[in-house]
Amino acid sequence: EQQVQQSPASLVLQEAENAELQCSFSIFTNQVQWFYQRPGGRLVSLLYNPSGTKQSGRLTSTTVIKERRSSLHISSSQITDSGTYLCAMERTGYGSSGNKLIFGIGTLLSVKP
Amino acid sequence: NAGVIQTPRHKVTGKGQEATLWCEPISGHSAVFWYRQTIVQGLEFLTYFRNQAPIDDSGMPKERFSAQMPNQSHSTLKIQSTQPQDSAVYLCASSLDRDREAERLFFGHGTKLSVL
Repeated sequence: EQQVQQSPASLVLQEAENAELQCSFSIFTNQVQWFYQRPGGRLVSLLYNPSGTKQSGRLTSTTVIKERRSSLHISSSQITDSGTYLCAMERTGYGSSGNKLIFGIGTLLSVKP
Repeated sequence: NAGVIQTPRHKVTGKGQEATLWCEPISGHSAVFWYRQTIVQGLEFLTYFRNQAPIDDSGMPKERFSAQMPNQSHSTLKIQSTQPQDSAVYLCASSLDRDREAERLFFGHGTKLSVL
């Protein structure tokens, strides 16, 4: 069972359009992170958002823990935003293992000129 | 700060050979993680160290995989008798692991392992 589900699987936008990426979890979590990966590039942590809303530049993440979901909003998309966006959660109550993150498969975003 | 450093970037082995992958975490980070990334499975957790001590190796295939962290500046992932299904990008990550806000993970570029 995929514990972290992401949608859509892929998304094509025109430059300057906004994007809304969704993430849902099969179990409760108290930590959510969003990552970005360019093809062949390293995974980069974008936002750490355990609950509520957090913003970083053009990125806004909203996490609703009781509904087991998180979203990432990208405003005014740019061509350089193209890549894969991954959502990850930590399993709550996982003993002393702390920061074991479970990842979704990702959303492949392509921004066209 | 060069970030998390992984070597080699690419490794090609023959079936049955051994592969050792190296990771240098960010200086001062006390938590080190190994993940495996494939197209089909995505990112899979392998193992985790905190202050060099193994904490959780629940994702490690038991028979041929082992990980060590002999000092705070490097960790190794060893795969014995490599098989074609071991082909993947192996990612190392580190974090401060001091408080919740500091638990953001920083990843290396990964080692792409190809088993022929």
